[in-house]
Amino acid sequence: QQQVKQSPQSLIVQKGGISIINCAYENTAFDYFPWYQQFPGKGPALLIAIRPDVSEKKEGRFTISFNKSAKQFSLHIMDSQPGDSATYFCAAQEGGSGSARQLTFGSGTQLTVLP
Amino acid sequence: EAGVTQFPSHSVIEKGQTVTLRCDPISGHDNLYWYRRVMGKEIKFLLHFVKESKQDESGMPNNRFLAERTGGTYSTLKVQPAELEDSGVYFCASTQNLEDTIYFGEGSWLTVV
Repeated sequence: QQQVKQSPQSLIVQKGGISIINCAYENTAFDYFPWYQQFPGKGPALLIAIRPDVSEKKEGRFTISFNKSAKQFSLHIMDSQPGDSATYFCAAQEGGSGSARQLTFGSGTQLTVLP
Repeated sequence: EAGVTQFPSHSVIEKGQTVTLRCDPISGHDNLYWYRRVMGKEIKFLLHFVKESKQDESGMPNNRFLAERTGGTYSTLKVQPAELEDSGVYFCASTQNLEDTIYFGEGSWLTVV
């Protein structure tokens, strides 16, 4: 059973548009929600992350919106650029002492930004 | 500073053969993880080392997979014998402390034919 569900699987956006990727989770023990960006042939790289004590975090053109009651979080990319074309993964980490803090990933979204 | 490095970057082997993947974490990172992504699905956790000790290997799929981290530096992941469903990309990641950012390597792409 997939613990973090991500949608859409693929997304095509025009340059300058807004890209929105959504994730939902079930495990209420998750206490850290990062987004990773992966370019072809590279490993996932941390893009932005949020903890559940805030509802939104913004870094440049990238914003995470977090809804704790709905157990959902989303990534918004404003003014999307062709260089943003990549695969985006949402993830979640479980807290608590003794936890290995391993990441549980969503299935990924292939974003294509058209010039 | 060098990032997480993995070797080989690509490997094609026949079913039944053995493959050993190597990961060199960022220097000083005690925590080392192995993940894999198969068939375009989600990236899944395999196991976690703290120095040379296996802290959590709950994600290892079966006993055909063996991970080691001798001396607490680099790690190896051996698949023996390889099966078709083992094809995918194997990522290694490391972090100094559990609260810090986890850094991923570029992955080892394994194709079993």
